[in-house]
Amino acid sequence: TQLLEQSPQFLSIQEGENLTVYCNSSSVFSSLQWYRQEPGEGPVLLVTVVTGGEVKKLKRLTFQFGDARKDSSLHITAAQPGDTGLYLCAEPRNSGYALNFGKGTSLLVTP
Amino acid sequence: DAGITQSPRYKITETGRQVTLMCHQTWSHSYMFWYRQDLGHGLRLIYYSAAADITDKGEVPDGYVVSRSKTENFPLTLESATRSQTSVYFCASSESPTALGYFGPGTRLLVL
Repeated sequence: TQLLEQSPQFLSIQEGENLTVYCNSSSVFSSLQWYRQEPGEGPVLLVTVVTGGEVKKLKRLTFQFGDARKDSSLHITAAQPGDTGLYLCAEPRNSGYALNFGKGTSLLVTP
Repeated sequence: DAGITQSPRYKITETGRQVTLMCHQTWSHSYMFWYRQDLGHGLRLIYYSAAADITDKGEVPDGYVVSRSKTENFPLTLESATRSQTSVYFCASSESPTALGYFGPGTRLLVL
């Protein structure tokens, strides 16, 4: 089973601060997806990165895929309480079906 | 309404009982998936389906049974519920086998 490590496990910040969360693997990612899961809801796909060195932006969220495709980061600028949730990274399973998920970073943004 | 729905949203049952969790999607996506989410383990794949009448095991299939007689439905049955199956269960559907764009809202199951 492929292992995805996410850090930090928990993060509590105040509104307006910047933050970065990380996703790493011991093997090369074929592609990587980031999800956000709000309390009591299912995960929602934010972005898919495929190419080493790729950078994608989604409003205040910036996603970066490492050059060697073994790591990825999510940077949030000027965090807002609405950013509170569990951020998950995921990669395709070796079988070619479905995804393996990391355990996530739980983010709390307080006003 | 278009989307993916799960029912029931909450369920309490007793050890040994059979329980069926329902998943319905309106997009006619070929691929459907069942995951369970537990503290300390994250999301783990139970079963997936590539099309009607085609299903396969995931990471943690023991104690579960699935069927897919129609493209839009993918029920998950716990044949004889155990306390270790207390969890939150998520169904997902997608057009791609490895891009899970749509998750349901989850079913929270408590086995006493």
